[in-house]
Amino acid sequence: DTEVTQTPKHLVMGMTNKKSLKCEQHMGHRAMYWYKQKAKKPPELMFVYSYEKLSINESVPSRFSPECPNSSLLNLHLHALQPEDSALYLCASTAGLGETQYFGPGTRLLVL
Amino acid sequence: GEDVEQSLFLSVREGDSSVINCTYTDSSSTYLYWYKQEPGAGLQLLTYIFSNMDMKQDQRLTVLLNKKDKHLSLRIADTQTGDSAIYFCAETDYGQNFVFGPGTRLSVLP
Repeated sequence: DTEVTQTPKHLVMGMTNKKSLKCEQHMGHRAMYWYKQKAKKPPELMFVYSYEKLSINESVPSRFSPECPNSSLLNLHLHALQPEDSALYLCASTAGLGETQYFGPGTRLLVL
Repeated sequence: GEDVEQSLFLSVREGDSSVINCTYTDSSSTYLYWYKQEPGAGLQLLTYIFSNMDMKQDQRLTVLLNKKDKHLSLRIADTQTGDSAIYFCAETDYGQNFVFGPGTRLSVLP
């Protein structure tokens, strides 16, 4: 099973809302990633967790707050987002750092 | 920093072969990947090649790696309309980051 699941599939939120994106994998992978992808562009790395510890934060604004409660689960908490944050948010996992990444289907976020 | 380049568009006729090219700059790349992304979907891993290999074949897909020229290609034999998508080349060097190319939009014409 090489499945990474993400919920919700779609999310519409106002600039004052607080919401969370969820990512889950049961492959025993120890590294998990959040990417942001704008239309017709490649994914941009936001955060990397390795063994449940944040190892990369690519200068992402504090209105995005990642959380890794356990090795199978990765959350992205959203607060006071801007319309330009509208994008496809992709989660990925790897057995270890630098190994093959498996992506989830993404959450399409629209900020009004 | 590392860079990965791809041509942005490719059109082929159904039944023909497609060849998507990628160049990269990181000489310490260990794995090179091809991902497929259909509209509104996540990235689907198609295939990957370890840097000490020259070629890998998997059904209709053939990956060629020229490590000296830092050139990677993906050949899709007997291209079908379902192959229409964006194809991303990516590389990693056992580090914490993947570097993606800009993606090649493949259009398959009937």
